[in-house]
Amino acid sequence: GAGVSQSPSNKVTEKGKDVELRCDPISGHTALYWYRQSLGQGLEFLIYFQGNSAPDKSGLPSDRFSAERTGGSVSTLTIQRTQQEDSAVYLCASSLVGWGGPFSGNTIYFGEGSWLTVV
Amino acid sequence: KQEVTQIPAALSVPEGENLVLNCSFTDSAIYNLQWFRQDPGKGLTSLLLIQSSQREQTSGRLNASLDKSSGRSTLYIAASQPGDSATYLCAVRPRDSNYQLIWGAGTKLIIKP
Repeated sequence: GAGVSQSPSNKVTEKGKDVELRCDPISGHTALYWYRQSLGQGLEFLIYFQGNSAPDKSGLPSDRFSAERTGGSVSTLTIQRTQQEDSAVYLCASSLVGWGGPFSGNTIYFGEGSWLTVV
Repeated sequence: KQEVTQIPAALSVPEGENLVLNCSFTDSAIYNLQWFRQDPGKGLTSLLLIQSSQREQTSGRLNASLDKSSGRSTLYIAASQPGDSATYLCAVRPRDSNYQLIWGAGTKLIIKP
């Protein structure tokens, strides 16, 4: 597709249920990022993928959160046993390359987000 | 530790005015600075990216400047329109963290018709 695609766009789930959020990055982009934004808050970094590997998972809030990326393309963010504080918009982004140095000037493109509400 | 601040937090101006949004950062060791726009209920749209070696970037009615030595960037919007109403965020990519962005809290802009 032309841009970063996320699904579902909206998800209402009951506390304690598991949810999966999907991100389809721009074709050819090797770097993929997950962010979270709670109501009225700034953006919170969750995880970064370079290809299929995640050099930094330190932003994941708890062990209920996990993410994977397969084939260097689609990524899935899974939240197990959801809690009300997980309610937020989960944003995925991709860029052509993610490493520093001469490629550090590439633009990051964001999807429209998956709005998660835990009731 | 890099910190990014955006002032003002909110701004309301009549349609047609030129305006400036400010972004400051505490550590000049950055790869680039990027301005984004966020509309209610939407994701982020990248507006302009300025590399550390550049002084400014322009796109249509938008002009972003970067003064790395003083830790400042401005986003200039010419001839504002109601459709410009959104939250504007700036983010820097620090040199000591290749893949993370450090974000400002944003400026909520309202353009009154």
